[in-house]
Amino acid sequence: GQNIDQPTEMTATEGAIVQINCTYQTSGFNGLFWYQQHAGEAPTFLSYNVLDGLEEKGRFSSFLSRSKGYSYLLLKELQMKDSASYLCAVVDSNYQLIWGAGTKLIIKP
Amino acid sequence: NAGVTQTPKFQVLKTGQSMTLQCAQDMNHEYMSWYRQDPGMGLRLIHYSVGAGITDQGEVPNGYNVSRSTTEDFPLRLLSAAPSQTSVYFCASSYSAAGANVLTFGAGSRLTVL
Repeated sequence: GQNIDQPTEMTATEGAIVQINCTYQTSGFNGLFWYQQHAGEAPTFLSYNVLDGLEEKGRFSSFLSRSKGYSYLLLKELQMKDSASYLCAVVDSNYQLIWGAGTKLIIKP
Repeated sequence: NAGVTQTPKFQVLKTGQSMTLQCAQDMNHEYMSWYRQDPGMGLRLIHYSVGAGITDQGEVPNGYNVSRSTTEDFPLRLLSAAPSQTSVYFCASSYSAAGANVLTFGAGSRLTVL
């Protein structure tokens, strides 16, 4: 079967750095997405990785290792507005999206 | 540019009632889809469409119908609502059905079935 694993919940302090991990086992791989979802709102696109390595976009970076079936989202200089759920989704061999359950990130002052 | 518009935002139904969730996009996107989101689970695909006149089933299609008569609109119909259909529903669209494309989501519709 296809499986995406993410921690259910994480807590971090304002101004700090947090790493949210995502491991996957899917039938084929055509890329990995990260989306941000604030409570009661729609998911919004953060990043897309299809090749190994680190993609940096401002305070957010996303890393992919295809051989390990592993990705992480790195958030730097945390702000209270970063409190949200972070969804990992893998594109499988049929170009279907397989979604993780999401990681709820709580930022404390 | 409104993006993806979903209505209604909230709905309460009784078991056995039917209803339609509306979804419209103004980005000329080829691909449209419906997801449901339940606590502790990833987004699950209900139905999707790769263009006007073409629809297909996703992971959890039972109890739902869709149609795509125009590029812009993709309504989701609940035929006979059941408590198990209590969920938050999201419509999402992307530029193309081919390849890996960024999804634009509607604001969501929270449905409660009593």
